[in-house]
Amino acid sequence: AQSVTQLGSHVSVSEGALVLLRCNYSSSVPPYLFWYVQYPNQGLQLLLKYTSAATLVKGINGFEAEFKKSETSFHLTKPSAHMSDAAEYFCAVSRQWGAQKLVFGQGTRLTINP
Amino acid sequence: DAGVTQSPTHLIKTRGQQVTLRCSPKSGHDTVSWYQQALGQGPQFIFQYYEEEERQRGNFPDRFSGHQFPNYSSELNVNALLLGDSALYLCASSLANGLGYDEQYFGPGTRLTVT
Repeated sequence: AQSVTQLGSHVSVSEGALVLLRCNYSSSVPPYLFWYVQYPNQGLQLLLKYTSAATLVKGINGFEAEFKKSETSFHLTKPSAHMSDAAEYFCAVSRQWGAQKLVFGQGTRLTINP
Repeated sequence: DAGVTQSPTHLIKTRGQQVTLRCSPKSGHDTVSWYQQALGQGPQFIFQYYEEEERQRGNFPDRFSGHQFPNYSSELNVNALLLGDSALYLCASSLANGLGYDEQYFGPGTRLTVT
């Protein structure tokens, strides 16, 4: 079975500050890991993905995440927050190979303070 | 190139009624997955369709059923609606390329309200 835990349902940072959103996963098989962003009243947009290549993954909008197997973590970071980053962020895990359902965390709402 | 489209955008139904939601996948995609996102929660996997068959199913009752058509579009049907079925229903499409990873592209969702 696979699961995802996102630490912190709400994170608030100042504009220009570091963004750190935490994600820990549990998987009995080698995982694929994803971060999605959801703006109000919209669907999900893929930010970045880990698919067993490089452990440091760069995504869109200046976000990146590092896969750490020893810590079962896949935290999302951005060096400098922008007001447009305010949204809901979801970490998700799927198995490698076969039918790949995504298992999502509960989400973290990111607020950017001016 | 059109992305994933869903219809309708919003829907209000009464308890006990039945509802059908529709999804057209991104051009070139052959696999459709459906997710339920309750308010304040992460999406939960309902089922996935490939080659017009249900390939995998999440922990949802049989009231939830689906169909995939030869053009890869899909429908989600929910019978005997409950208040707890109120949620945003997301459709995601992907291409089964056999390489171990199918990137899923999400539509904007259908907001279902059951009163």
